Amino acid sequence: DTAVSQTPKYLVTQMGNDKSIKCEQNLGHDTMYWYKQDSKKFLKIMFSYNNKELIINETVPNRFSPKSPDKAHLNLHINSLELGDSAVYFCASSQGGASWDEQFFGPGTRLTVL
Amino acid sequence: GENVEQHPSTLSVQEGDSAVIKCTYSDSASNYFPWYKQELGKGPQLIIDIRSNVGEKKDQRIAVTLNKTAKHFSLHITETQPEDSAVYFCAASHQGAQKLVFGQGTRLTINP
Repeated sequence: DTAVSQTPKYLVTQMGNDKSIKCEQNLGHDTMYWYKQDSKKFLKIMFSYNNKELIINETVPNRFSPKSPDKAHLNLHINSLELGDSAVYFCASSQGGASWDEQFFGPGTRLTVL
Repeated sequence: GENVEQHPSTLSVQEGDSAVIKCTYSDSASNYFPWYKQELGKGPQLIIDIRSNVGEKKDQRIAVTLNKTAKHFSLHITETQPEDSAVYFCAASHQGAQKLVFGQGTRLTINP
């Protein structure tokens, strides 16, 4: 199936731990994104990469570090997890880097920090 | 920067009736307005979009209207069906911008 996939789907961890979420797209897109969706469903962009180059870096704590080993992958590493990091994290991709390009979202990773 | 307000936050309609969700935006330079649908347990999916050179766009039972003067746009769903139940997000951006700014979302429930 052509899609955006994320692993894991669920992640439960203790405060202070370090965790990673992986994302892969096989759509041949040039741009990938990370979004955070809080408990009220508010959807906010965190990062975007175009051909492995960081394009958007919103006001996100530097405990969050995205890494793009190639244009098909964009992983999110989170250090020293806090309770407020609990949310659903969505990876997305688009053909180009323009906001007018349709974004294809992955199924999400629900992160719970205890 | 752009700010998008979406109303209502929840909407419940009887099957077969119409549903309308409204959004306002703040940046007069915005000229692209997509709508995304998020079903339970899934990521958002684009269902329709409109650019500022048109005032209305329709695709089967869904339509979007845009009023650039008032800086608001709306999603209209006619003859609603149970599978329309989902969270709907509006968004706005302008050409050259590299990100979408999303509204807060509307949880639509279709009652049988």
